[in-house]
Amino acid sequence: AQSVTQPDIHITVSEGASLELRCNYSYGATPYLFWYVQSPGQGLQLLLKYFSGDTLVQGIKGFEAEFKRSQSSFNLRKPSVHWSDAAEYFCAVGGRGGSYIPTFGRGTSLIVHP
Amino acid sequence: SQTIHQWPATLVQPVGSPLSLECTVEGTSNPNLYWYRQAAGRGLQLLFYSVGIGQISSEVPQNLSASRPQDRQFILSSKKLLLSDSGFYLCAWSWSGPSGNTIYFGEGSWLTVV
Repeated sequence: AQSVTQPDIHITVSEGASLELRCNYSYGATPYLFWYVQSPGQGLQLLLKYFSGDTLVQGIKGFEAEFKRSQSSFNLRKPSVHWSDAAEYFCAVGGRGGSYIPTFGRGTSLIVHP
Repeated sequence: SQTIHQWPATLVQPVGSPLSLECTVEGTSNPNLYWYRQAAGRGLQLLFYSVGIGQISSEVPQNLSASRPQDRQFILSSKKLLLSDSGFYLCAWSWSGPSGNTIYFGEGSWLTVV
């Protein structure tokens, strides 16, 4: 069975600092990997996804993530955080095939200090 | 392009009253449809999913039920609400094809049971 671990419940960064949110997954083959962002009281918005090919994936809002098979990781990064990036971030892993429903991590809450 | 709508956005209901949350998807046909619940600090919980009209899979036995009366309509219901049903409910959809694992979320519905 697939699983996702986001080891950090909360992350605090200063505005303008770099950001890395960790995600580790468990899946028997090459997975589909996703990052979502959720602002308070809103639904989840897809930031980026990895299906195949280049392991460094660019997303919206200046985010990127790197798939590292050897480490079973898909960490999310941003070189310079803006106050508007404060939100909840979810990593998800899915199997190949339409019948595989992605499994979501518990989320990491990002706090941005001015 | 595809859009997803769910309503009502906010609902306050007394214990023992019925519930109906509705969700529709536009711009696609035969989508997979999902209902998630998000309780504070507990991440996303998949409640139901549907791969077609009248086909409902339940992930968690509970006080809720789901129906799919039309291809792009998904309804979450309860006959008698419990306090523990309070939470943030998210409808979502994905493509039904073999590569269709990307899930797209609605804006969510806040349910408070009093």
